[in-house]
Amino acid sequence: DQQVKQNSPSLSVQEGRISILNCDYTNSMFDYFLWYKKYPAEGPTFLISISSIKDKNEDGRFTVFLNKSAKHLSLHIVPSQPGDSAVYFCAASARQGAQKLVFGQGTRLTINP
Amino acid sequence: DAGITQSPRHKVTETGTPVTLRCHQTENHRYMYWYRQDPGHGLRLIHYSYGVKDTDKGEVSDGYSVSRSKTEDFLLTLESATSSQTSVYFCAISELQGNGYTFGSGTRLTVV
Repeated sequence: DQQVKQNSPSLSVQEGRISILNCDYTNSMFDYFLWYKKYPAEGPTFLISISSIKDKNEDGRFTVFLNKSAKHLSLHIVPSQPGDSAVYFCAASARQGAQKLVFGQGTRLTINP
Repeated sequence: DAGITQSPRHKVTETGTPVTLRCHQTENHRYMYWYRQDPGHGLRLIHYSYGVKDTDKGEVSDGYSVSRSKTEDFLLTLESATSSQTSVYFCAISELQGNGYTFGSGTRLTVV
């Protein structure tokens, strides 16, 4: 039972345009959501997070949007840069219950010059 | 990240042999985790630890065991390696359960 789903295995975007990565979840107890970025031969690194009490969080070129009613979150990268090419993982946890992070399958983002 | 190291970085082993992967942290974090990454499955939790000698199973724990005798070290053992355990293994640490994790660089294990 996949509690966190990233339905797009890959995404290709032109440099300078907006990249939108999507994530859906099924567990209504999740109250904390994160995005991780992973380059080849490296471990995932934390990118941005959002608590369920918010619907938006920004950090520079990265913005995460949370739609609790739809159990959907998205990561917007604007403008996209070649260095953004990586695999992006969505993750969620139920912090109230001190639960572990559950990860999605990942989306490979390729930024084309 | 210098605060967490995994060893070895790469390993090739034969089916049926035991294998131990090591995760070492210098952050004094309470929680440590072992994940495996496979195409189409993302990161799946194998085992985790919430303190010295305190461990529990994750969603894909069959065929794996763990030990944590010191705060800084978390060992993952494949008792008898199988080809289905060919994967990239990541260790992660966190101060608080459910918060963001810091990952190691991974161990690529190939079982032939």
